[in-house]
Amino acid sequence: GENVEQHPSTLSVQEGDSAVIKCTYSDSASNYFPWYKQELGKGPQLIIDIRSNVGEKKDQRIAVTLNKTAKHFSLHITETQPEDSAVYFCAASPGTGRRALTFGSGTRLQVQP
Amino acid sequence: DTGVSQNPRHKITKRGQNVTFRCDPISEHNRLYWYRQTLGQGPEFLTYFQNEAQLEKSRLLSDRFSAERPKGSFSTLEIQRTEQGDSAMYLCASSLGLISGNTIYFGEGSWLTVV
Repeated sequence: GENVEQHPSTLSVQEGDSAVIKCTYSDSASNYFPWYKQELGKGPQLIIDIRSNVGEKKDQRIAVTLNKTAKHFSLHITETQPEDSAVYFCAASPGTGRRALTFGSGTRLQVQP
Repeated sequence: DTGVSQNPRHKITKRGQNVTFRCDPISEHNRLYWYRQTLGQGPEFLTYFQNEAQLEKSRLLSDRFSAERPKGSFSTLEIQRTEQGDSAMYLCASSLGLISGNTIYFGEGSWLTVV
């Protein structure tokens, strides 16, 4: 089955700096890659996703890049703000068939004011 | 759209008791998923439904776990003879569509503590 690895497990940045979180996946059939933000005591909230037919997607301060050849994808947050502090999860899923999302182990991002 | 709703949000139970969680997906979402999440880990897939059909179950879903979605709307997850290792947050999610790759929306989760 699919295996998703995520790094780093913790990340501390100063407010205004950029943050980058990286994930690798094992199943070459995966073609859908969402990123979720989870705040303490809450469920994961989708912040951005990318499908394999594009290499990059941007939404305001958040961007995701995908390298299908290398089987890795990354989340980039620019101009970080204290409210960006949370745990971020990457995930992967095949675009066909019945399989659901496989998640990485998460990155705890702390933005220091 | 009211989002994915889960009840109860918190449950404390004694070892050996049965517990049931309910999930109401986003209206008209035909796919419904159950995940389990322990502290410091990502959500782990348990099972999912397309309408009322349970199409896939993870190895994590032991014989003590059963999930239903009788009318293709809400779903229940029952854990029988709970064990301390069952303590976790149980997440429900839903999506619209017949193929994977459509956005999956999560509820706020149901915390289970087995004492």
